[in-house]
Amino acid sequence: AAGVIQSPRHLIKEKRETATLKCYPIPRHDTVYWYQQGPGQDPQFLISFYEKMQSDKGSIPDRFSAQQFSDYHSELNMSSLELGDSALYFCASSTWTSGSIQETQYFGPGTRLLVL
Amino acid sequence: RKEVEQDPGPFNVPEGATVAFNCTYSNSASQSFFWYRQDCRKEPKLLMSVYSSGNEDGRFTAQLNRASQYISLLIRDSKLSDSATYLCVVKKSNYQLIWGAGTKLIIKP
Repeated sequence: AAGVIQSPRHLIKEKRETATLKCYPIPRHDTVYWYQQGPGQDPQFLISFYEKMQSDKGSIPDRFSAQQFSDYHSELNMSSLELGDSALYFCASSTWTSGSIQETQYFGPGTRLLVL
Repeated sequence: RKEVEQDPGPFNVPEGATVAFNCTYSNSASQSFFWYRQDCRKEPKLLMSVYSSGNEDGRFTAQLNRASQYISLLIRDSKLSDSATYLCVVKKSNYQLIWGAGTKLIIKP
């Protein structure tokens, strides 16, 4: 079965540079979530989109922005990168399935960002 | 206090043993609960959703105690491949999951 696709898988940037992470949800999934996971930490929710509109906002820094496009893929734009932004960035997707009790998020493999 | 709390472990368990994890949550209005498994440097993968009546999937059993606001995961006949970090997840809103810090499980031969 098709899974969530993220690109790039690895990214190295320098401080103050910008980065764009891409996420392609599972086909027919209409909701996309972004998470940041630092070393040894649990995933921290950044932001989510439903039907191309921002649906919820977590601990996303003002330097970051994101959007969901008409084909449901999403991009996380990160500017003025800081050393502390080095982390694994996961994208997850979901959709309500008729008859299901609760919605499940499926995660992509992540983009590992290293800021030097 | 974190919204979702777990014992970080590690739990060192011999192969074939039974092991149980608990997770507590602070928001009594939470409606959806999950256990995810995460292997080192990999993405979290859904292990089980947790239903009010409790549910079982092979060697794995999940229980929900709303009165005490905790969720449990029981693994029977543990395998070496069960070694991973187990993340307790609570749905805070329609779109936001709150994660526990994870419990590390190490199964030893």
